[in-house]
Amino acid sequence: DAGVTQSPTHLIKTRGQHVTLRCSPISGHKSVSWYQQVLGQGPQFIFQYYEKEERGRGNFPDRFSARQFPNYSSELNVNALLLGDSALYLCASSTGQTASYEQYFGPGTRLTVT
Amino acid sequence: AQSVSQHNHHVILSEAASLELGCNYSYGGTVNLFWYVQYPGQHLQLLLKYFSGDPLVKGIKGFEAEFIKSKFSFNLRKPSVQWSDTAEYFCALRGLFNKFYFGSGTKLNVKP
Repeated sequence: DAGVTQSPTHLIKTRGQHVTLRCSPISGHKSVSWYQQVLGQGPQFIFQYYEKEERGRGNFPDRFSARQFPNYSSELNVNALLLGDSALYLCASSTGQTASYEQYFGPGTRLTVT
Repeated sequence: AQSVSQHNHHVILSEAASLELGCNYSYGGTVNLFWYVQYPGQHLQLLLKYFSGDPLVKGIKGFEAEFIKSKFSFNLRKPSVQWSDTAEYFCALRGLFNKFYFGSGTKLNVKP
């Protein structure tokens, strides 16, 4: 089975622009979470979606938004990019079952804002 | 406030040495705790998890962790490390409203 896939792998954007990152979960997984990992730090939780509904939100500004599609894939959108948004953006999928919460991470999208 | 602290940022050990990586958390509710590992060039992957029950949790590759509620700790241990254990290790907490909190990570370098 394929793991979690993310696209694109790398992205360079200019301040003020908008970006969309994509994630495809493992087949059968209904929950997707997004994380931001700045160099030298651990992943910071942005969102969690389960069955197309937002189930958790981290302390990120409203410039960050996400959605989950009927096939459980997900998009993370960031508007009005700032230099500080430069980071590795990780997607993780899980079955969404309470007893598990075992998350499988993708390789990430490296976003550079200049 | 919910948070996770890893105080060892960089650990260097020789092969066969014992390992203990510290993890402390701040959270007043029911804890779900995790250790993840990231090998060079690879994705984050789950080492072990604690949900309830036996506070000594065994994971993959000979790793274990002990949940000590009174100390708010969930330290990772391995009796004898190998060169292949060189990686970055992250402790994580699932808190309120499904928010996950990761520590800043510990880079382990095992010398052959």
